[in-house]
Amino acid sequence: LAKTTQPISMDSYEGQEVNITCSHNNIATNDYITWYQQFPSQGPRFIIQGYKTKVTNEVASLFIPADRKSSTLSLPRVSLSDTAVYYCLVGDGGGYQKVTFGIGTKLQVIP
Amino acid sequence: GAVVSQHPSRVICKSGTSVKIECRSLDFQATTMFWYRQFPKQSLMLMATSNEGSKATYEQGVEKDKFLINHASLTLSTLTVTSAHPEDSSFYICSARVVGPARFFDEQFFGPGTRLTVL
Repeated sequence: LAKTTQPISMDSYEGQEVNITCSHNNIATNDYITWYQQFPSQGPRFIIQGYKTKVTNEVASLFIPADRKSSTLSLPRVSLSDTAVYYCLVGDGGGYQKVTFGIGTKLQVIP
Repeated sequence: GAVVSQHPSRVICKSGTSVKIECRSLDFQATTMFWYRQFPKQSLMLMATSNEGSKATYEQGVEKDKFLINHASLTLSTLTVTSAHPEDSSFYICSARVVGPARFFDEQFFGPGTRLTVL
């Protein structure tokens, strides 16, 4: 499984756009990139998944450069309720693989 | 959307007792469920992979005789912490992998977690 590296923490003011970058230098051809969000004392929740270029859904965007060695989760206009830990995961698209969580990024939204 | 429940949400027990945690997929079938443990301010650590009707696969360093996993049906997996000790106090989370068409690759849903405190 490809290892991921993320900033340990980030602070942002309400209403700002937040970009969290994840490095995955040894990503394999079949690997997808998935982001999860976790609030304290809750299970993780799926945010977005992508393979290349850009993916957008109702809550976030995911930017993946051509070399796929990194990805950036973009949260538009964050609110206090977006304070959480965000995990970047890289998994083998060739079959069912166990999910391995890295340390994640603790995002603190400030009023 | 698919929902995974865990019961109990919180349990306090005395050292030496055994505790059973249930993980249920409420509106979908899951041939594979995963069990994680999370200590305060740390990431989720995979403990074991549970497949319906077969023995669980444990991660390195996880004692299979201490953490008994049973996956008897497509909607239920249980984790039993046997002879629990204070160092087993943690947040236990399960996830269930969707069978059939998924919204995204390797789609799985996580339960809300169970807080275990061993006195």
